[in-house]
Amino acid sequence: QLQLQESGPGLVKPSETLSLTCTVSGDSINSNTYYWGWIRQSPGKGLELIGNIHYSGNTYYNPSLKSRVTISMDTSQKQFSLKLMSVTAADTAVYYCARHRVTGGAGMGYDYWGQGTLVTVSS
Amino acid sequence: DIVLTQSPDSLAVSLGERATINCKSSQSVLYSSNNKYYLSWYQQRPGQPPKLLIYWASTRKSGVPDRFSGSGSGTDFTLTISSLQAEDVAVYYCQQYYSSTWTFGQGTKVEIK
Repeated sequence: QLQLQESGPGLVKPSETLSLTCTVSGDSINSNTYYWGWIRQSPGKGLELIGNIHYSGNTYYNPSLKSRVTISMDTSQKQFSLKLMSVTAADTAVYYCARHRVTGGAGMGYDYWGQGTLVTVSS
Repeated sequence: DIVLTQSPDSLAVSLGERATINCKSSQSVLYSSNNKYYLSWYQQRPGQPPKLLIYWASTRKSGVPDRFSGSGSGTDFTLTISSLQAEDVAVYYCQQYYSSTWTFGQGTKVEIK
């Protein structure tokens, strides 16, 4: 059974960099059929895609966050990571990592999610 | 960006009754090369991450109860819960992954009447 687990600081100061890691267990991270994503949910709000990464190294970032975001992958550790620079209170949210599956060349959506981790931006 | 607008924002349904949630896309999410709609539905129970219910607009993910069904075409899509159960209390989201920027609807909260 695939499991994803987010880890990282729960409190980040304004203007600093938010760093989170997602550890994947139970399946391969370097498969051509998966994209790995970060999605966030501000308190009481909806879902916002931050970006995706493929094991080939291809990345996609939400244009609204692109100037501040880096997503990377360490296949040997079965981990992928998020860095969000210059954070403000507006970046306070639950951050989820998730897997987007592609089957028969067609995407299926995010079929597995981590439990999420709350990151608060405050001094 | 493709905007997904869900309606209603919330609804209260009696146990055993039908719940219907709509999702309208600002443009087509039909991938013409494989004739599939790149639209999914998720359920998010309180304190839990979203759970994939439906993909390609109408294909139920393995293990999802058959009271959940997805339908639609063009730019209008529907998630139907045929007989609401207590465990279906949640917020439901549609999501498109057709355009380069994947987006979610604002969510619909389903409660028991």
